[in-house]
Amino acid sequence: GENVEQHPSTLSVQEGDSAVIKCTYSDSASNYFPWYKQELGKRPQLIIDIRSNVGEKKDQRIAVTLNKTAKHFSLHITETQPEDSAVYFCAAALTGNQFYFGTGTSLTVIP
Amino acid sequence: GAVVSQHPSWVICKSGTSVKIECRSLDFQATTMFWYRQFPKQSLMLMATSNEGSKATYEQGVEKDKFLINHASLTLSTLTVTSAHPEDSSFYICSAERGSGDEQFFGPGTRLTVL
Repeated sequence: GENVEQHPSTLSVQEGDSAVIKCTYSDSASNYFPWYKQELGKRPQLIIDIRSNVGEKKDQRIAVTLNKTAKHFSLHITETQPEDSAVYFCAAALTGNQFYFGTGTSLTVIP
Repeated sequence: GAVVSQHPSWVICKSGTSVKIECRSLDFQATTMFWYRQFPKQSLMLMATSNEGSKATYEQGVEKDKFLINHASLTLSTLTVTSAHPEDSSFYICSAERGSGDEQFFGPGTRLTVL
């Protein structure tokens, strides 16, 4: 099955700086890669996703890049704000099948 | 939008009792729903895939007789934790897939505490 690894497990950045979280996956058949933000005790919320036919996607301060050859994808958050503090999960999936989640990254943005 | 609800949001029960958790897609039909378990400060662990009208597919290591899943309609899946024990205490989250698209919509989760 699919195996998703995520790094780092914790990340602290100063407000206004950028944050980068990286994930690798093992199954080359995976073609959908969402990123979720989860605040304590709440449901995961989709913040951005990318499909295998695209190399990069951007939505305001958030961007995701995908390298299919290397089987890794990254989340980039620019101009970080305190409200960006949360746990972020990456996932890999084959369309219509279950998600395989990374282990999560706890991001703290220091004001 | 695509809203998924769960009930109850928090349940405390005595060891040995059974607890039923409901997952509903409120504004769309979900042929497939997923059940996850999440321990504090850990990732979401897929427990089973629930398909409407058929038996759930359980992940390796998940006891099907312990965690009973029923997906009787296109908007409702239930997870019953039978004979719950303290080690079953966890955060249980469901998600629903809308149509044949990729995105899964998550419920708010149910915190189960077994005394």
